Amino acid sequence: GENVEQHPSTLSVQEGDSAVIKCTYSDSASNYFPWYKQELGKGPQLIIDIRSNVGEKKDQRIAVTLNKTAKHFSLHITETQPEDSAVYFCAASRGGYQKVTFGTGTKLQVIP
Amino acid sequence: DTAVSQTPKYLVTQMGNDKSIKCEQNLGHDTMYWYKQDSKKFLKIMFSYNNKELIINETVPNRFSPKSPDKAHLNLHINSLELGDSAVYFCASSQGQGPNQPQHFGDGTRLSIL
Repeated sequence: GENVEQHPSTLSVQEGDSAVIKCTYSDSASNYFPWYKQELGKGPQLIIDIRSNVGEKKDQRIAVTLNKTAKHFSLHITETQPEDSAVYFCAASRGGYQKVTFGTGTKLQVIP
Repeated sequence: DTAVSQTPKYLVTQMGNDKSIKCEQNLGHDTMYWYKQDSKKFLKIMFSYNNKELIINETVPNRFSPKSPDKAHLNLHINSLELGDSAVYFCASSQGQGPNQPQHFGDGTRLSIL
């Protein structure tokens, strides 16, 4: 089955700096890669996703890159703000009814 | 307008008891899921239902029994609760018929076994 590794497990950045979270996956048939943000006491919320036919996607301060050859994908947050502090999860899926496999999470702390 | 709602939010009970968690979604989605998040925040799928039919059943003890009375509801019943069942349980839904549809999560039910 799919295995998704995520690094780092914790990340502290100064407000205004950039944050990068990296993930690798094992199943070459995976073609959908969502990223979720989980705030304290809440469920994970989708913040951005990318499909295998795209190498990069951007939404305001958030961007995701995908390297299918190397089987890794990354989340980039620019101009970080205190409200970006949360746990971030990467995930991978073959799509359709196939299950989504989550990474182990990254706790991001943005220091004002 | 809560999209995916779970009840109860907190559940504290004794070992050996039986308990249920309810989940409802008002998004019109046809696929629903149950996830378990342990103390290290690891999120693992347990079950998935599409239009009331079981489509994913991970290696979950048979003490856990999901029930989907209709496509907007997916409940989770747990028999003979054990200490290791303590976790946060999340319900989620997606429009499963389309490819690669994002999942929408509820806010979780924190289950604590005494």
